Amino acid sequence: AQTVTQSQPEMSVQEAETVTLSCTYDTSESDYYLFWYKQPPSRQMILVIRQEAYKQQNATENRFSVNFQKAAKSFSLKISDSQLGDAAMYFCAYRSPDTGRRALTFGSGTRLQVQP
Amino acid sequence: EAGVVQSPRYKIIEKKQPVAFWCNPISGHNTLYWYLQNLGQGPELLIRYENEEAVDDSQLPKDRFSAERLKGVDSTLKIQPAELGDSAVYLCASSSQGGNTGELFFGEGSRLTVL
Repeated sequence: AQTVTQSQPEMSVQEAETVTLSCTYDTSESDYYLFWYKQPPSRQMILVIRQEAYKQQNATENRFSVNFQKAAKSFSLKISDSQLGDAAMYFCAYRSPDTGRRALTFGSGTRLQVQP
Repeated sequence: EAGVVQSPRYKIIEKKQPVAFWCNPISGHNTLYWYLQNLGQGPELLIRYENEEAVDDSQLPKDRFSAERLKGVDSTLKIQPAELGDSAVYLCASSSQGGNTGELFFGEGSRLTVL
């Protein structure tokens, strides 16, 4: 079974600065999907960014980018120019390409605080 | 387009009482998920439906939990009887079976407190 590990329970960043959240995963599959989800205090989780394992290019969405290291099974999220609205729980998640196992497996999350 | 709708948002019950949560997924989404989220933890899958069929319920504690999705649209998750350890947030999510993006769309969750 796949596992996802987020080793940073909490992180703090100054507004306008850059922060990197870490994620590692364990899998024997060669193709898969990786995600970062954001969960603000209201609790509705929203997708931040997605990476397909077969793509070598790192995904980017505005101020959010990932560093995908397939061999190391590492998938970190970089937030540039941090804003107060970025404060939330961030979850890394893995999805198998097997349609029989399409549910996401989540890490334990990292709480990001943004200091004004 | 309406998102995933869950109710109730909050529920407080005494232990041994029953409780039910309802979820209406995004229109057209064939796949529906129920996740359990304990405080400060990541969501854990309870059950996944493809249309009206439960295709992954290995993590559902079947002695007290049950779920249904009779017409392949909305779904109900029931706990009977509730225990103190069931206090958590129950998240519903949906996804499009035909899409290949893998993205799940989540509701706001139902927070259960068992006293």
